[in-house]
Amino acid sequence: DAKTTQPPSMDCAEGRAANLPCNHSTISGNEYVYWYRQIHSQGPQYIIHGLKNNETNEMASLIITEDRKSSTLILPHATLRDTAVYYCIVRVGGGNSGGSNYKLTFGKGTLLTVNP
Amino acid sequence: KAGVTQTPRYLIKTRGQQVTLSCSPISGHRSVSWYQQTPGQGLQFLFEYFSETQRNKGNFPGRFSGRQFSNSRSEMNVSTLELGDSALYLCASTTSREGRDTQYFGPGTRLTVL
Repeated sequence: DAKTTQPPSMDCAEGRAANLPCNHSTISGNEYVYWYRQIHSQGPQYIIHGLKNNETNEMASLIITEDRKSSTLILPHATLRDTAVYYCIVRVGGGNSGGSNYKLTFGKGTLLTVNP
Repeated sequence: KAGVTQTPRYLIKTRGQQVTLSCSPISGHRSVSWYQQTPGQGLQFLFEYFSETQRNKGNFPGRFSGRQFSNSRSEMNVSTLELGDSALYLCASTTSREGRDTQYFGPGTRLTVL
């Protein structure tokens, strides 16, 4: 799986948008970009993932550049409860349940601190 | 729909003992993966089971083993515990939707080895 690079920490004011960058310059054509977050001592929480098109769900938006070498996770209105470590992971999508590799390789992630 | 459940949530053992952790995946999920999280090494993949077969394995010693039952529930076992095995052990189950699989994690089991 391709490696990712994220800033170690970021701050954001409550109510403002949080934009978390991720560099994955060696991504392959069949690799998806996944985002998870982990609030202290809890299990990682799935946020969103995508292949090449921008994606949006109830939690966040994922913007992937046209060359797919980087992406940005956007939390539109950050709250104090969004304070967490955010992980950007690139991996091949497994497809059918008889498919391939469900291993996630976590880096150090970005510690996002939302301030009141 | 219930999430991934792990038992016990906390465990204290002493060196040399063995421990078994349990994971119940989300209903309908057939793949279960295990991860170890420590402050020094971060989140590391242990192994993955699918249909009662180990399909992927991380770089951990043979003291770490697992199994999966026909109902997809999984257990992992650590024998001859060492101080360095103190960690948060996380289980994740996987669905495949529209060709794009997603792993959902449980709350973890906090293991302390004294």
